[in-house]
Amino acid sequence: DAKTTQPPSMDCAEGRAANLPCNHSTISGNEYVYWYRQIHSQGPQYIIHGLKNNETNEMASLIITEDRKSSTLILPHATLRDTAVYYCIVRPPNRDDKIIFGKGTRLHILP
Amino acid sequence: GAGVSQSPSNKVTEKGKDVELRCDPISGHTALYWYRQSLGQGLEFLIYFQGNSAPDKSGLPSDRFSAERTGGSVSTLTIQRTQQEDSAVYLCASSPNRGDQYFGPGTRLLVL
Repeated sequence: DAKTTQPPSMDCAEGRAANLPCNHSTISGNEYVYWYRQIHSQGPQYIIHGLKNNETNEMASLIITEDRKSSTLILPHATLRDTAVYYCIVRPPNRDDKIIFGKGTRLHILP
Repeated sequence: GAGVSQSPSNKVTEKGKDVELRCDPISGHTALYWYRQSLGQGLEFLIYFQGNSAPDKSGLPSDRFSAERTGGSVSTLTIQRTQQEDSAVYLCASSPNRGDQYFGPGTRLLVL
């Protein structure tokens, strides 16, 4: 079973920051938080991951709470091309093990 | 550079026939995964290959499903005696052993 809880859908205005929440209250101390997204009719795409520190790359920022029980993916300036299903995933220390996907959050970017 | 490729992109078959789906991972990636996604559903893990280790087959739904990976590169997923509930998008991913997985475009299988 997926170890994360995400809202089923969210809306965000184009050009604004999209903040996608994820709860992972049963995360273990050595498990990573990963985010992927799936644009319609495409395979999933890796976005970002972190262990305990906040992370930023060219696509997004990941904010992990101090107790590591929740995190937020931030898309700083959402565009219509960011419309997708976003998956928050908790992964074991063997980071090349299979991914257990939940239902994700369907993000709609509104023009 | 080249990403993960899968063939065919679409496959229509009749119930009871066997099908083979192919995955070409990114060169140098030692880990290879198969997932499937039924219409409107999330992604379901099927099988995982890592180097020369025995594959993790824990996600295969029945003994009609099998997969092999030859020479540590190309992989083939075989479904025998296909059923209508096998209709789905079959996704392959590969990984360079640093945690992120790179997915192919998928094969859309329709069993009539």
